[in-house]
Amino acid sequence: EAQVTQNPRYLITVTGKKLTVTCSQNMNHEYMSWYRQDPGLGLRQIYYSMNVEVTDKGDVPEGYKVSRKEKRNFPLILESPSPNQTSLYFCASMGQGARRNQPQHFGDGTRLSIL
Amino acid sequence: GDSVTQMEGPVTLSEEAFLTINCTYTATGYPSLFWYVQYPGEGLQLLLKATKADDKGSNKGFEATYRKETTSFHLEKGSVQVSDSAVYFCAHTQGGGGADGLTFGKGTHLIIQP
Repeated sequence: EAQVTQNPRYLITVTGKKLTVTCSQNMNHEYMSWYRQDPGLGLRQIYYSMNVEVTDKGDVPEGYKVSRKEKRNFPLILESPSPNQTSLYFCASMGQGARRNQPQHFGDGTRLSIL
Repeated sequence: GDSVTQMEGPVTLSEEAFLTINCTYTATGYPSLFWYVQYPGEGLQLLLKATKADDKGSNKGFEATYRKETTSFHLEKGSVQVSDSAVYFCAHTQGGGGADGLTFGKGTHLIIQP
């Protein structure tokens, strides 16, 4: 089954404690992306990756890091989490075949609470 | 810059009512337009899409037409069901060069009452 898998689904942690949210897709997609969803703001892109070893900032990259060492994985790293990063996070992937015509496939989300 | 504007809701309707969720966008070039749906506790799923002017996307009884002259992509359904209760997001890709990320509206929470 084609899917985007995020882990963990839920995490409560404290300010300053480094955490990583993993994202894996099994569709051999080149493009992967991270979004955060906040009430009244919709979804905003954090980082994206066009392919292995190619990453770039989205609209709200501050406080986040990503890496793309393998095609299937695109982890989101919070080196020193702060309460304003409490949010619902989504990973997405897309095949590059027709680029802007392709839909993005989303994971089920990771709800982070930073105390 | 690029943006998407949609009614935020919540929109509350009775079962079998007619649904319209308005969406307008600003973008350079010729973006592709999408409606995504998010059911409670789940990620976003593509509902329908349109890739050029006057295209109509349709799925599960929902329809939306790409109107370039009014920069709109309103979502409609003739007879809604309780199972349609969800949050609906209008989105577009960037029409010019550059990133392939989606620009989302803030989402419309739809509640269908039996």
